[in-house]
Amino acid sequence: SQKIEQNSEALNIQEGKTATLTCNYTNYSPAYLQWYRQDPGRGPVFLLLIRENEKEKRKERLKVTFDTTLKQSLFHITASQPADSATYLCALDTGGFKTIFGAGTRLFVKA
Amino acid sequence: DAGVIQSPRHEVTEMGQEVTLRCKPISGHNSLFWYRQTMMRGLELLIYFNNNVPIDDSGMPEDRFSAKMPNASFSTLKIQPSEPRDSAVYFCASSFDRQGDNEQFFGPGTRLTVL
Repeated sequence: SQKIEQNSEALNIQEGKTATLTCNYTNYSPAYLQWYRQDPGRGPVFLLLIRENEKEKRKERLKVTFDTTLKQSLFHITASQPADSATYLCALDTGGFKTIFGAGTRLFVKA
Repeated sequence: DAGVIQSPRHEVTEMGQEVTLRCKPISGHNSLFWYRQTMMRGLELLIYFNNNVPIDDSGMPEDRFSAKMPNASFSTLKIQPSEPRDSAVYFCASSFDRQGDNEQFFGPGTRLTVL
């Protein structure tokens, strides 16, 4: 079955730097991949979707890449701010309406 | 739009009691998902509905869990009898399914504690 691996260790970076989070999957390449943000005590919030035929997608300070050869997606936040501190979840399509989520990576941006 | 609404926000109950969680999806959405989140297992899909019909309930842990969606604006997740290991945050999410897309909108969650 499809498995998603996200770095379980928290990522600590300095304000203004670029944060890079990794999402690896093990089996077939999904039709699309999504990234969500989750703040403590709240539900996940959708950020970006990238399809299998897209290499890169941008939205404001966010950039997502999708490499089906490496079975990997990278999520970048440029010019990071303390307000970007949260847990970021990667989610994969498994066909139909169903997606599976990774465990998430916690990001801390220090002022 | 108010977003996905869940109730209650917090529930504390004793082992063996019945628990019912409620969800109102975003109006116009035709898919609804129930998830459970714990530190150990992360966010797990329990069941999802499309046009009020259960499509995949393979994530439902066991027969003690059941879910219904009697109409497009309401769904329930019931645990009977509840056990301490059911303690978790339960999220409901909805989406409008478009081909090649499945952005999900999550509710605030119900934090369940079973003593």
